[in-house]
Amino acid sequence: QAVLTQPSSLSASPGASASLTCTLPSGINFVIYRIYWYQQKPGSPPHFLLRYTSDSDYLQGSGVPSRFSGSKDASANAAILLISGVQSEDEADYFCMIWLSSASMIFGGGTKLTVL
Amino acid sequence: QVQLVESGGGVVQPGGSLRLSCEGSGFTFSRYPFHWVRQAPGKGLEWVAVLSYDEVSQNYAGSVRGRFTISRDNSRSTVYLQMNSLKAEDTAIYYCAKDMYINGWGGIDFWGQGTLVTVSS
Repeated sequence: QAVLTQPSSLSASPGASASLTCTLPSGINFVIYRIYWYQQKPGSPPHFLLRYTSDSDYLQGSGVPSRFSGSKDASANAAILLISGVQSEDEADYFCMIWLSSASMIFGGGTKLTVL
Repeated sequence: QVQLVESGGGVVQPGGSLRLSCEGSGFTFSRYPFHWVRQAPGKGLEWVAVLSYDEVSQNYAGSVRGRFTISRDNSRSTVYLQMNSLKAEDTAIYYCAKDMYINGWGGIDFWGQGTLVTVSS
């Protein structure tokens, strides 16, 4: 089973940018996958942020601020969630997800973003 | 607005059974696939099962295959998860989640509030 690797924690100062990564093992072509990002605050369900496949295949979640954006780093086989101008309300857990051709879904372990 | 309301969680002994329900509103329920995703206390998300809009296709995580069954009643706008032979490691918050695709499946755009299942003697 493929594993999506996310750093367990990340900290950022208000107003700074935060780059959250989601890495797939080498040998799996990340380029073709749709990557989904979710935000989860304590005691709440996950909330859909965006879907990124490429710059031409991109979906921002309803009501999600434009400071949240997605991209991929093909050289690192990684998807990236960029939060520009981090705000205190962005403190949360962030999960990446992909849908496999076997009709199953895998999530990354999640990154806890702390806003200092 | 889209709403998903889960029910049916609770405390059950190992080996027991439980049926979760999830009623949707605010959208055309019958057009979308649905998922169940769980989250053990303090842990990450684990996908459990998916069911197509017409119940023709379904799939399960290996950890629950043969023990859990996903089903739906479009006339009631409700999706179910029948859980049998429960184990301690099934303890988690179970989320019902709506797929975003009408023709196809593979992405969640809305989650219910979740229902807690505790398997303990």
